[in-house]
Amino acid sequence: GAVVSQHPSWVICKSGTSVKIECRSLDFQATTMFWYRQFPKQSLMLMATSNEGSKATYEQGVEKDKFLINHASLTLSTLTVTSAHPEDSSFYICSARDRGANVLTFGAGSRLTVL
Amino acid sequence: KQEVTQIPAALSVPEGENLVLNCSFTDSAIYNLQWFRQDPGKGLTSLLLIQSSQREQTSGRLNASLDKSSGRSTLYIAASQPGDSATYLCAVQAGGAGNMLTFGGGTRLMVKP
Repeated sequence: GAVVSQHPSWVICKSGTSVKIECRSLDFQATTMFWYRQFPKQSLMLMATSNEGSKATYEQGVEKDKFLINHASLTLSTLTVTSAHPEDSSFYICSARDRGANVLTFGAGSRLTVL
Repeated sequence: KQEVTQIPAALSVPEGENLVLNCSFTDSAIYNLQWFRQDPGKGLTSLLLIQSSQREQTSGRLNASLDKSSGRSTLYIAASQPGDSATYLCAVQAGGAGNMLTFGGGTRLMVKP
């Protein structure tokens, strides 16, 4: 079945640094990828939708200059948290849509801790 | 804007009980509805997916129903086990394949031995 790989699965960084999270569709082409954020004991909230080759669409309240999303190929989308701060500590999950099917496949998530 | 609500937010039951988790959504124009399981600190595991034209889906001890007109879905877990302890999330997919999911707040389930 369709597999989405996220890397890294967890990362700890110092405040002020930038962190990049990768989301790869391993065996299918993903025309659309979604990025979610989950704070402790809360549900997932959609951050942005990225379509291959175009700019991402951000949800209200999500700073596009802080959360840079690149979807340069049909199998890879990246989320870069720029100048991370402790309040950015969260669980980030991506999902990808197989262009050949009506299925969304989720990655395992990436836990970011900013000290 | 679609809103998804899950009740109860938390549930603690003794092992062996049958239980029902509820999910309601405000916009009935959905493509499908999914139930996920999430263990602490982990990603999502898809449990059941119900297309908008379907009424229910079953997998093992799990049964999910969908009443699109009333905006409700239930997840029934039979003969609960301690290993069922997790957070259960309901999510609806907007009309049109591949659109984003809107998640409910989840139900944290604890099954005590």
